Amino acid sequence: QVQLQQSGPGLVKPSQTISLTCVVSGDSVSSTSAGWSWIRQAPSRGLEWLGRTYFRSKWYNDYAVSVNSRISFSADTSKNQISLQLNSVTPEDTAVYYCARGTTLFTPFDSWGQGTLVTVSS
Amino acid sequence: QSVLTQPPSVSAAPGQRVTISCTGSSSNIGAGYNVHWYQQLPGTAPKLLIYTNSNRPSGVPDRFSGSKSGTSASLAITGLQADDEADYYCQTYDRSLSGSVFGGGTKVTVL
Repeated sequence: QVQLQQSGPGLVKPSQTISLTCVVSGDSVSSTSAGWSWIRQAPSRGLEWLGRTYFRSKWYNDYAVSVNSRISFSADTSKNQISLQLNSVTPEDTAVYYCARGTTLFTPFDSWGQGTLVTVSS
Repeated sequence: QSVLTQPPSVSAAPGQRVTISCTGSSSNIGAGYNVHWYQQLPGTAPKLLIYTNSNRPSGVPDRFSGSKSGTSASLAITGLQADDEADYYCQTYDRSLSGSVFGGGTKVTVL
């Protein structure tokens, strides 16, 4: 059974960086049959896919157009975790951030982290 | 404005049937990409409910069913129960955006 455990600060100041971590158990982040996405949900809003990272002989990243210039992903295989960094944040980036597993961009997200509420405020 | 359009809310009495539509375009559902559905109970992470248009993961009751036709997909819930009260989201791939997209979500209320 795959489990994703998220961590990170709940409050970030405008113009700074959101940094979140997702520790995976029950699967390997470097599995060539898995992909790891980040998805967010602004208060009382719907879900927004931010992008994904995956390993296929090397690491690849796909980023959503809406955040492409501000976002980056990384992986630490020794800790079996993935991380998200979102730069130059504004209050519009306030949301619950989720990590989730999906094999490809065409397959569903079958396991989700518990979510981390990040508030951008001074 | 979401790429996939869902009704904001639907409601019905216990035991009744509700359907939730998910309307896309020729760059996503109409292009043949599969549709997946998620249930989000209040205060929790989304949970996969239907995958690849009409398949249920293990443990999901057969009261939930999905279908897809043309540029749209639908989720049906029969024998509505109180604990079906939740938000439901459709999701697929969009080739114009080169990424996953979600519907805006539909809140199901059991009267």
